[in-house]
Amino acid sequence: GAGVSQSPSNKVTEKGKDVELRCDPISGHTALYWYRQSLGQGLEFLIYFQGNSAPDKSGLPSDRFSAERTGGSVSTLTIQRTQQEDSAVYLCASSLEDYSPLHFGNGTRLTVT
Amino acid sequence: AQSVTQLGSHVSVSEGALVLLRCNYSSSVPPYLFWYVQYPNQGLQLLLKYTSAATLVKGINGFEAEFKKSETSFHLTKPSAHMSDAAEYFCAVLTSGAGSYQLTFGKGTKLSVIP
Repeated sequence: GAGVSQSPSNKVTEKGKDVELRCDPISGHTALYWYRQSLGQGLEFLIYFQGNSAPDKSGLPSDRFSAERTGGSVSTLTIQRTQQEDSAVYLCASSLEDYSPLHFGNGTRLTVT
Repeated sequence: AQSVTQLGSHVSVSEGALVLLRCNYSSSVPPYLFWYVQYPNQGLQLLLKYTSAATLVKGINGFEAEFKKSETSFHLTKPSAHMSDAAEYFCAVLTSGAGSYQLTFGKGTKLSVIP
């Protein structure tokens, strides 16, 4: 079946511009996660959605970062006024339920010039 | 707080040799532990998971890991390395609190296989 789908796969943007990254989780998966992967920082948790519960935003690095999940399915991660340090691979994952393994998408590679 | 430590950011083995990637965890409760593999320009793929059943866990591609509570370890092994095993490997622990769940990852170990 279809896995987690992320778009775009690559994004180059100028410093100061806003970007939106999209994630389509596996159908039926209730939990959705965003992680950031960068050299020297490893995999950083950003945000967690579970059903209709309030998301856990504790990993968002600044108020320039926000995410939403519409209809319990598709999620969008928005970065406003991008900075060079935002350059990284942004990974989305979904799981059937809590305690289930996470299934990852191939990520969006963001480059801020 | 729960965490994992992977010893060795880079490991090289010869084709056909034993693969051993080390992971130690820190957890105040019985942990849920995972190993993931990442091939270049791809996302992470689950290799295996430990969820307090058998201490020896078998995964895909011939990998296995043994949970040792006394050593707080969950090392990943494969008896004979193949060229296709070259990738980055991540150990992770499931952390939970206040209704939230997340995987906390180690820094990763890049495995090189020498022909």
